[in-house]
Amino acid sequence: GENVEQHPSTLSVQEGDSAVIKCTYSDSASNYFPWYKQELGKRPQLIIDIRSNVGEKKDQRIAVTLNKTAKHFSLHITETQPEDSAVYFCAGDTGGFKTIFGAGTRLFVKA
Amino acid sequence: DAGVTQSPTHLIKTRGQQVTLRCSPKSGHDTVSWYQQALGQGPQFIFQYYEEEERQRGNFPDRFSGHQFPNYSSELNVNALLLGDSALYLCASSFGRSYEQYFGPGTRLTVT
Repeated sequence: GENVEQHPSTLSVQEGDSAVIKCTYSDSASNYFPWYKQELGKRPQLIIDIRSNVGEKKDQRIAVTLNKTAKHFSLHITETQPEDSAVYFCAGDTGGFKTIFGAGTRLFVKA
Repeated sequence: DAGVTQSPTHLIKTRGQQVTLRCSPKSGHDTVSWYQQALGQGPQFIFQYYEEEERQRGNFPDRFSGHQFPNYSSELNVNALLLGDSALYLCASSFGRSYEQYFGPGTRLTVT
C-alpha cells in the first residue's frame, strides 16, 4: 500500500544553521507533495508544496526538492530561527483524493 | 473569509459509546477530508467526501462513517468507541480536485 517515510524523527540545530528533512514515498502515482508545519496544539499549516513536474521550488528561506526517479523529496530550511521550532510533516497525494502523511520530524532551533 | 471550523473542541466519551464530530469547510470549498492524528504521529487519512458521497477511504473499520450535507459541511461518526480511538480528529477542506487542503483546528477525543 501507499507509504511515506520521513527522517529524521528529531532534529536539533543552532539558530542560523540549515535544517534538512527527507522523505521517501512508495506509490509511483503520487504527483503532489505538500509539507506541513504543526506547532504544539495547533492545526497543520501548509508551508510549501511541489508537483511531480517540478524538481525544485523555493519560497524565501524554505525550499523543497523532488527526485521522482528515486521517489525522494526533501525540505530545506535556511537561516533557521527559534520560531521555526515545530513538527514538520511531509505527505504524498495521488490526485487530490487521498493524502498520506509521514510520521513527522520534531525540529528544535536553539537560540 | 471563514476558515475551516470544527466542533466540539474537546470531547470525553466512554468505551462503547458513539460520537459525532462536525466540520464546516472554508468558504468556497466543496470537499472535506477527515484525518485521525494520534499523539506523536502524523495524520492518518480516514475518508473524503465530495458531492455528498464518500470518494475515497483509508484503512479504517466500518465503525467510522461520515456524511456530507448540501452546504458541504460534514460529520464524522464513530460507533462502539475503543480506547485506541483517542486522538485528535482533523478535517481539511479543498475545492474539487484541487490538491491544496486547509485544516481545521481539530477535535480532541478522549475515550475512557
